[in-house]
Parts: sequence; structure tokens; C-alpha cells
Amino acid sequence: DAGITQSPRHKVTETGTPVTLRCHQTENHRYMYWYRQDPGHGLRLIHYSYGVKDTDKGEVSDGYSVSRSKTEDFLLTLESATSSQTSVYFCAISTSGRNEQFFGPGTRLTVL
Amino acid sequence: QKEVEQNSGPLSVPEGAIASLNCTYSDRGSQSFFWYRQYSGKSPELIMFIYSNGDKEDGRFTAQLNKASQYVSLLIRDSQPSDSATYLCALVTQGGSEKLVFGKGTKLTVNP
Repeated sequence: DAGITQSPRHKVTETGTPVTLRCHQTENHRYMYWYRQDPGHGLRLIHYSYGVKDTDKGEVSDGYSVSRSKTEDFLLTLESATSSQTSVYFCAISTSGRNEQFFGPGTRLTVL
Repeated sequence: QKEVEQNSGPLSVPEGAIASLNCTYSDRGSQSFFWYRQYSGKSPELIMFIYSNGDKEDGRFTAQLNKASQYVSLLIRDSQPSDSATYLCALVTQGGSEKLVFGKGTKLTVNP
């Protein structure tokens, strides 16, 4: 357990509403990541952060934004949720420049 | 060719047998390679990483890396029903800068 929590763990929302998912870590790691996992697509990187206020896009960033105002928190926002954003979202942290990543428990999001 | 290819399986082996999971990749400059295990409904769990050509052993697990042939494999000796899971191969591509690229995973079933 790398001290990563995600909230909420489950959420059902409606199309067009904004949604924010939170990733919290307790061990002061520099790098944090947001992935989504879908059947047939595997894990895909949405956004990542390499420090406070330092973020960059991943493979599937359209429709998502992120913020990191504190080392321990990395927020993922769906500005206007769509049904195609129904997925399981995982946060991950990287402990060092050796690139091993450790995952949080995940958030299951359903957009109706 | 996709960056990371895995046979989706399912791969079925009897208890006590050796399970062999394979992964090929397209970027010759890839440096770091990882194997994750994911139980159904759970988050990915890092089980092995390998950076150099050759074999790396950890208990019942052996990771093998052949950069010339661009493949990495995971052997599980004395397979147990508790090893039944999806195994994800991941790597950092050249210039990847702390970003992992994942294969879609191979589902392994170990039959008692």
C-alpha cells in the first residue's frame, strides 16, 4: 500500500454535469497520474503531474482537466460528463526516477 | 504495430505448472519494463520490474528481457489458483519521461 486514496470510490452522474475525482497520497511523491481503464483498451493515461502546479497531457486528455495545488492531492475534473467517460479511473504515484508506479484503489464512474 | 502487445488469452494452466506470459514492444529505445497483476475489480499491483537483458527472479516469478528481440516475459512457477488474474505488461518508451505505456493484459486462469 503506497498510501494512496481515491474519492469517491463510486459515482453515478448525469450527462452534462461536472465531476471531480480526488487522489490523495500521504508519502510526498513527486509524480502523480490519472488513468482510465476500459474493456478492450486497457489502461490509458489521461493527465499526469510532475510537481505542484506542473501537469501535462496524456493519451486521452480531451474532456478532462487536472489540478495539483498541493503535493498530496491531484484532482481530475470532467468539465461536462459524457457517457463515453463511463469508466474506472485509477490514480497512480511514482516514487522515484526509476518509474515504478503504484496505483490507488480506483473510482468507478457511471455517466447516464 | 501497437507499442505494447500482449496475447489477451485467456491462458489456462493446471495448478503446479509453469505459466508463461509474453509481451512484445515496438520502441527499441525502451528502457524500463514492468509486470503488474490485476485481480478482477481491483487495481493493478506491481509484481516485477526489469531494466537489463536477462532474467530476474523473485520467488516464484521470473521476468525475462530480450532487448534485441524486443520482448519481455513473465514466468510463474508452481502456479496456484491465487495467481488467476490479468497480467499487464508496461514499459517506458524512449523519451517517455516517467510515462508508462501498458499492454491490454493477458488473463491467466490456474485450474486446481
